Amino acid sequence: GAVVSQHPSWVICKSGTSVKIECRSLDFQATTMFWYRQFPKQSLMLMATSNEGSKATYEQGVEKDKFLINHASLTLSTLTVTSAHPEDSSFYICSARLRGEISSPLHFGNGTRLTVT
Amino acid sequence: GENVEQHPSTLSVQEGDSAVIKCTYSDSASNYFPWYKQELGKRPQLIIDIRSNVGEKKDQRIAVTLNKTAKHFSLHITETQPEDSAVYFCAARAVRGGYNKLIFGAGTRLAVHP
Repeated sequence: GAVVSQHPSWVICKSGTSVKIECRSLDFQATTMFWYRQFPKQSLMLMATSNEGSKATYEQGVEKDKFLINHASLTLSTLTVTSAHPEDSSFYICSARLRGEISSPLHFGNGTRLTVT
Repeated sequence: GENVEQHPSTLSVQEGDSAVIKCTYSDSASNYFPWYKQELGKRPQLIIDIRSNVGEKKDQRIAVTLNKTAKHFSLHITETQPEDSAVYFCAARAVRGGYNKLIFGAGTRLAVHP
């Protein structure tokens, strides 16, 4: 149980275009989902906390107008990288926690490798 | 803000030896400490976790200890095997403004040599 599906697993886009990444909790409801970014050989950096039905909470230094997050349902959160630039190339991973269980561990999606040319 | 420091950044051991990875956290309100294993190009996988009301937890060859006073926790892997080779991340969860956040350490690249 507690499967998180992330799509696409990899994407290549041209500079200036936008890319949408989906994160779905397949067999549970997730009131809160988290979006992380990971550069090669580095740690997972929390970008934002996505809350169903409300605005996302962004970490300091993360541009909310560039990384648009929508959490329209209890099983789906999306991250849109707008006007992508080569420096946005990274590994983006979403995670989710079972609804109502703040002490439960995070379950991660498979990640999306974004390459901006 | 919240910070988690992890050491060492790389660790090389012989098969059968033990490996220890240490982390310290800054937020005294942190109450949950998971450890994740990440293989190249894959998602992080939870291997063990500990809550602040417990000092030690063990699961077969893996154990985690927590010292709340010193604000540090450690991962211990005994009888290491080549398949233990991966990057290990510690994390600490804190509650701020009503939101739970999981902050990760920088990671430890463990290499187990046959």
